[in-house]
Order: sequence, then C-alpha cells, then structure tokens
Amino acid sequence: QVQLKESGPGLVQPSETLSLTCTVSGFSLTSNSVHWVRQPPGKGLEWMGIIRSGGSTDYNSALKSRLSISRDTSKSQVFLKMNSLQAEDTAIYYCTRSGAWPRNWFAYWGQGTLVTVSS
Amino acid sequence: DIEMTQSPSFLSASVGERVTLSCKASQNINKYLDWYQQKLGKAPKLLIYNTNTLHTGIPSRFSGSGSGTDYALTIGSLQPEDVATYFCLQRDGWPTFGAGTKLELK
Repeated sequence: QVQLKESGPGLVQPSETLSLTCTVSGFSLTSNSVHWVRQPPGKGLEWMGIIRSGGSTDYNSALKSRLSISRDTSKSQVFLKMNSLQAEDTAIYYCTRSGAWPRNWFAYWGQGTLVTVSS
Repeated sequence: DIEMTQSPSFLSASVGERVTLSCKASQNINKYLDWYQQKLGKAPKLLIYNTNTLHTGIPSRFSGSGSGTDYALTIGSLQPEDVATYFCLQRDGWPTFGAGTKLELK
C-alpha cells in the first residue's frame, strides 16, 4: 500500500529556513519520483520541485534560489529545505509520487502539512 | 512556463445535471493533461490522466477530452459527493496547475 506522510514544524519565523520530511512506504524511492506541491490557504496548487528515481532534482524557477530537495533512500525519506521564508510561504505542503515522464501523473499524495510563517 | 486557465471559477449545478469544466493552456501541451478533485480539507485526488484515461476506481460518470490547448472534464450526471474543487495540471513542461473550478450543488 503506497503511503506518503509529511512532517515538520507547523510554525516558522520569517526569514528562517523550513525543513520538511516526506516519509514514504509501499514503494521505492529508487524507482519513483517524489514531488513537493504547496497550496496557500484557500488558493490553488503550486508545483515546487522533484527528486527523480536516480536522485536528480529540478525546481520551480520561482523558488529555485531558495529551495533544495534531497533524500535518504535507506530511510525512505525525502527532504525539503527552503530558506528566507516570508508570510506568502504560508501553505499546506504536500509530497506526491509519480512515475518517470511521461507517466508522471500524481496518483498518490500525502495528507499535507500546514506551515505558517509568522513571528 | 505554461499557463493554465480554468473556467468557470465557480459553478453551481443540480444533482443529475451534466457538467463540463474547461482548461486552456497557453501553448500546445500534447494531451499531457490531468484532472484532480479536491474536497475541503483533503489532499487532491487524481481523476483522469493523459486527457482521457480514468484513474483506477474513479466512477465512469467522469470523462476527459481535448487536444492542443483546450481540454475539458465532464461529469455525466452530477452526484452530491462530487461537490469539490477541480484542478487541471499540465505535464508537458514543468508541471503547472490551473486555478481551479469550485463546484457546488444548486
């Protein structure tokens, strides 16, 4: 059974760094890609970035300078780090699994974790 | 980046009604278009991928169509459990979502 679960701090101070973990089960990170997607409260979805089965990464150009995605395959975990957080980064952060392009639809999602940026 | 424009932003329809939601891309996306349903407080759920392929377990009243820049999601007979926001996603370039259509019962 494929599962993804996000975890991390619910509250982050402005200008600080966000660290989130996506713990997966039921599949291998060496055979699938994992993406991060976020959603500000009451708004739409924004693709943030991907870590592919081979370990390569790509990022949304709007976030590239602040964002890093990595993984620990032995722990089945994917990590998101984003620095210089501001209020507009307040959002629900989701991790989601896909296959390799062109089979890269998002069939499985985590439940999401709400991150609030506030002092 | 490829921009996705969904219409309408809000739709009110009756149970049993046929409903069509639209999604327009800023350039040809070669049918790499998916539809997701998001209910309040939940993660998005994949309905349709590659324009018209129904994901496992999705009721057959949902269908997708389109090509080039213009795509549509149709609900053949609206059910109360279909109340949700619907997002399209293009995957021809870096993934970009439409802003969503909020569907409510009349």
